[in-house]
Amino acid sequence: AQSVAQPEDQVNVAEGNPLTVKCTYSVSGNPYLFWYVQYPNRGLQFLLKYITGDNLVKGSYGFEAEFNKSQTSFHLKKPSALVSDSALYFCAVRDPPFGGYIPTFGRGTSLIVHP
Amino acid sequence: DTGVSQDPRHKITKRGQNVTFRCDPISEHNRLYWYRQTLGQGPEFLTYFQNEAQLEKSRLLSDRFSAERPKGSFSTLEIQRTEQGDSAMYLCASSLAREGQETQYFGPGTRLLVL
Repeated sequence: AQSVAQPEDQVNVAEGNPLTVKCTYSVSGNPYLFWYVQYPNRGLQFLLKYITGDNLVKGSYGFEAEFNKSQTSFHLKKPSALVSDSALYFCAVRDPPFGGYIPTFGRGTSLIVHP
Repeated sequence: DTGVSQDPRHKITKRGQNVTFRCDPISEHNRLYWYRQTLGQGPEFLTYFQNEAQLEKSRLLSDRFSAERPKGSFSTLEIQRTEQGDSAMYLCASSLAREGQETQYFGPGTRLLVL
């Protein structure tokens, strides 16, 4: 079975500082990994994904994520946080072919960037 | 706007009433998904379609819930005899079936409140 964990409910960072939002996963095969962002009362917006290839994936709005197979992690990072980055961030995993086409989402991490 | 759209954005209803939500996917996308999201949780899968065919339903989807995608384009999700526990955000997503590469794009959601 596929599962994903976001160990932090909330991450606080000062504007201009680097940020990391953590995600770990469990799958039977090779994972497909995704990050989404959700602003209040909105749907989820796709940020980036890892399917195969380079372990460092670059996405929208200056975000990137590093796939680490030995640590089963896919942490989201950004070198310099903006106040406008404050939102809910969701990690998701698919485990093809065992998990089919449906990703499992984490519970989300609230990122708060202080001015 | 060529993204996923959902209607209505908000719905308040009384317990026992029926409600219907509509989702219009990105036009070339052949897969369509429904999720439910409650406060403090990530999206939980309900059901998905490939073209007109409903291929998978979650055990979360009770008999009071039904979804259709009659012409392989828009979809409707109906909840009969609503209960207070049905209060949630209902999210629709769509994707293009391309093996190993699909990314789900989400609509803005329909927020349901059952009084």
